Formats: sequence, C-alpha cells, structure tokens
Amino acid sequence: GENVEQHPSTLSVQEGDSAVIKCTYSDSASNYFPWYKQELGKGPQLIIDIRSNVGEKKDQRIAVTLNKTAKHFSLHITETQPEDSAVYFCAASISGGGNKLTFGTGTQLKVEL
Amino acid sequence: GAVVSQHPSWVICKSGTSVKIECRSLDFQATTMFWYRQFPKQSLMLMATSNEGSKATYEQGVEKDKFLINHASLTLSTLTVTSAHPEDSSFYICSAGRTGRTEAFFGQGTRLTVV
Repeated sequence: GENVEQHPSTLSVQEGDSAVIKCTYSDSASNYFPWYKQELGKGPQLIIDIRSNVGEKKDQRIAVTLNKTAKHFSLHITETQPEDSAVYFCAASISGGGNKLTFGTGTQLKVEL
Repeated sequence: GAVVSQHPSWVICKSGTSVKIECRSLDFQATTMFWYRQFPKQSLMLMATSNEGSKATYEQGVEKDKFLINHASLTLSTLTVTSAHPEDSSFYICSAGRTGRTEAFFGQGTRLTVV
C-alpha cells in the first residue's frame, strides 16, 4: 500500500519568514496530493491540493510543488503569520479511490512573533 | 468547499456503554465516507470505509464488531463504539467527498473520553 513520509515533524519560523514542509510517497499510482491544516481540537481543513498532471500550484501565500519522478511534493507558505501556526498534514491518494487518503505524519508549525 | 458535519463534538461515557457518532454531508451526497482515529500528536489512522447501502470495509486490525458503521443514506454515516473502554478514548474524525470528485472534506471531529 501507499506510504507517505513527512518532514520536519516540527518547524519554528519567525513571522514573515517562509516555511517549507516536504513529503515523499511510495506508490507511483498516486495522483492526487492534498494538504490539510489542523488546529487543536478540530478536524483537518483542506488548504491546497495538486494533481499529478501539474508541477506547481499557488493560492495566495500557499504553494505546492510536485516532482513525480522523485515522488515528492512540498508545501510552501510565504510571509507566515501567527495564525498559520497549526499541524499540517500531507496526503496521497489515487483518483477513483473514493477519496481514500494516506496521510503523512504531520508537521507542527509554530510562527513566532 | 463542501461541508461535513460531525456530531457530537465531544462525549464522555462510562466503560461498557456504547456511543454513536454521526457524520453528515450537508450540501452534497456522498456514497462513500471514511472514519479515522487520531491519537494525540499523531496522524490520522483510517479505520474503515463506509459505503452507502452496503457493509463497511474495515482496515486491518480494526474490530468490526466493536466499531459498528452504518451508512443508511447518501448524507449520513454513523460510527458506534460498542462496549467502550478507556483505551477507546480518542479523537474520531469522518471525511466525505462528492461522488466522482477527488477532494475529501473532514468533519470537526469527536473527542471521546471513556471513564
């Protein structure tokens, strides 16, 4: 089955700096890669996703890049703000798999003032 | 995005009792929903796939007789934790996606505490 690894497990940045979280996946059949933000005591919230036919996608301060050959994808957050502090999860799935996701281990992001 | 509502958001129950958690897709129909369990500071672990009108598919190691799943309609799936024990205490989260679409949306989660 699919295995998703995520690094780093914790990340502390100064407000205004950029943050990068990286994930690798094992199953070359995976073709959908979402990123979720989870705040304490809440369910994960989809923040951005990318499909395998695209190498990069951007939404305001958030961007995701995908390298299919190397089987890794990354989340980039620019101009970080304190409200970006949360746990971020990457995930992978196969289209047609009915939204079944394999999650990474999560990254605790702390944005310090 | 689509809205998935989970209820209750938290529940405390006594050992040996059963607890039901509901997961609803509010503005779309979902033939498939997923139930996850999350321990503190850990990732989400898939427990089972809930299929509308048929039996749920459980992941390896998940006791189907303990975690009963019912998906009676296209907008509602329920997870019942039967004969709950303290080790069942956890954060349970459901997800659903529009039929034919890849995106998955999550409920707000249910914090279960068994005392």
